[in-house]
Amino acid sequence: DAGVTQSPTHLIKTRGQQVTLRCSPKSGHDTVSWYQQALGQGPQFIFQYYEEEERQRGNFPDRFSGHQFPNYSSELNVNALLLGDSALYLCASSLPEKGRYGYTFGSGTRLTVV
Amino acid sequence: LAKTTQPISMDSYEGQEVNITCSHNNIATNDYITWYQQFPSQGPRFIIQGYKTKVTNEVASLFIPADRKSSTLSLPRVSLSDTAVYYCLVGDLAGDSSYKLIFGSGTRLLVRP
Repeated sequence: DAGVTQSPTHLIKTRGQQVTLRCSPKSGHDTVSWYQQALGQGPQFIFQYYEEEERQRGNFPDRFSGHQFPNYSSELNVNALLLGDSALYLCASSLPEKGRYGYTFGSGTRLTVV
Repeated sequence: LAKTTQPISMDSYEGQEVNITCSHNNIATNDYITWYQQFPSQGPRFIIQGYKTKVTNEVASLFIPADRKSSTLSLPRVSLSDTAVYYCLVGDLAGDSSYKLIFGSGTRLLVRP
């Protein structure tokens, strides 16, 4: 049973560019959440998708947007990249019981903005 | 929004039992307490979850007192591979019954030979 799959694993972008990160949730999971983790910090909640809609959002600017597809996979888009967007981006999926039994995280995408 | 407070770091030796305590004074009635483990450049991994009293699984035990204002993660006989960051989380149940995890800074556990 495949867990959460994220792609790409590493990415280097130039300031001002746009980036799309992808996530396939664990089989049977329908809710996808995205987190940003800067070096030495805990993961920060970006937003959560359920039934193809953004259900909750953390304190991130509109440059961060997302999408969930009918097969529950998800994308995170970041526009007008800043140096401060360099981080590990984590995707997490959860059961229909809304995560009460724990989230499953992917290994993340390491984004470097130069 | 229930916040958690846990020690920034802890040191231990192989074979010892490690107890990491987390404070969550403002925990809500519907909140569960969940602990995650994270290795460098990997996503957090679910360890254990509980609501009250004691929960035990194959890797850890979770002790929650009656007032639920704190919890203690117990790792029996740690090994070098248990060196990681451990996060205590209290589920944030939004008004629409959705559930998101809010991470703090975690506890960096270093296990020495």
